[in-house]
Amino acid sequence: GAGVSQSPRYKVTKRGQDVALRCDPISGHVSLYWYRQALGQGPEFLTYFNYEAQQDKSGLPNDRFSAERPEGSISTLTIQRTEQRDSAMYRCASSLAGRAETQYFGPGTRLLVL
Amino acid sequence: KNEVEQSPQNLTAQEGEFITINCSYSVGISALHWLQQHPGGGIVSLFMLSSGKKKHGRLIATINIQEKHSSLHITASHPRDSAVYICAARGSQGNLIFGKGTKLSVKP
Repeated sequence: GAGVSQSPRYKVTKRGQDVALRCDPISGHVSLYWYRQALGQGPEFLTYFNYEAQQDKSGLPNDRFSAERPEGSISTLTIQRTEQRDSAMYRCASSLAGRAETQYFGPGTRLLVL
Repeated sequence: KNEVEQSPQNLTAQEGEFITINCSYSVGISALHWLQQHPGGGIVSLFMLSSGKKKHGRLIATINIQEKHSSLHITASHPRDSAVYICAARGSQGNLIFGKGTKLSVKP
């Protein structure tokens, strides 16, 4: 059984470019979470979905960040007009049925904005 | 003040020592997680608990809901236990609020 996968694993982009980060959760998992982790820091919540519905996006830093999960499975986190401060590890996690369940983390996408 | 505080930030121990990492939180939670982040960056969930104590091998996690405090203990520590240990409080929406982590280094 595959775990949570993310792609790409590494992304280097120039400032001002848009990037799309993909998360493929464990099959059948209802909830999907996005986190950001700066170097040397703990993860920071960005947003989460139950099925295709975005339940909470309070952690998205600004309107350049958006996420979708149109069919309740794969999710895409999009960052428009990237800035150097966006450089971080972006992690995705999924859980079986929301609140009471263990979250399983993907390997992350390391984003570097030059 | 962070909503989830961990101590110590860094911990160096000799192989075989008993280790305790502490976590205090100031928010209402539905559960508390202990996670292990390996030097390569991968994150593994160790425990999820909402009351009492859980044990898995040499790892023990306890939580005191009234005092809003949790501890992670490692018995008979080993160099392979070296990692960052992260405490995360699960909020009412299901999202996790993370502590900054405790970097553990166990020397042979």
